[in-house]
Amino acid sequence: ELKVEQNPLFLSMQEGKNYTIYCNYSTTSDRLYWYRQDPGKSLESLFVLLSNGAVKQEGRLMASLDTKARLSTLHITAAVHDLSATYFCAVDPDWSNYKLTFGKGTLLTVNP
Amino acid sequence: NAGVTQTPKFQVLKTGQSMTLQCAQDMNHNSMYWYRQDPGMGLRLIYYSASEGTTDKGEVPNGYNVSRLNKREFSLRLESAAPSQTSVYFCASSEAGHGRGANYGYTFGSGTRLTVV
Repeated sequence: ELKVEQNPLFLSMQEGKNYTIYCNYSTTSDRLYWYRQDPGKSLESLFVLLSNGAVKQEGRLMASLDTKARLSTLHITAAVHDLSATYFCAVDPDWSNYKLTFGKGTLLTVNP
Repeated sequence: NAGVTQTPKFQVLKTGQSMTLQCAQDMNHNSMYWYRQDPGMGLRLIYYSASEGTTDKGEVPNGYNVSRLNKREFSLRLESAAPSQTSVYFCASSEAGHGRGANYGYTFGSGTRLTVV
């Protein structure tokens, strides 16, 4: 059974600080996805990571993938209030017929 | 706008009632999915369809049925609603399927908030 574990599940940080969200998964996969969800809204795609060593950046967010360690990170640089949301990682290994399995999500609150 | 359209957005059912959640995508995607989201549980897969005419169970299929009506549409039916089915339901689609992964990711609909009383 594929397990996707995110930590921390809750993160409260001050504006201007840096932090990293971790996503560990239990099986081989070359594809990992990060999503953002605002309260009461749908999931918005942030990053699609398709190979070992992939790194993508958008604004204050940077995601990376280490398939050997089965680990992805989402790094937040100089956080601002607008980044407050829930962040999900998700994996779809080949053997699962390309079904996404999600982590439980990280609720990020950025305080002034 | 291109994307995944779900209807209805909100629904209240009485225990034992039935209803169908509708989903349509206009991106010519092969695969479609139904997920439910509950607090603290992330998103869990109910059913998926890798191509028109095929459907398969996900992690939490009990109490649900699905129909892949054509390439665009994938509906989710609750035959006899129970309070445990109170949740937010998301439909999604991707180009994945038959040996091809979702290199462009998965697109989600806006969700259906269902309450069963």
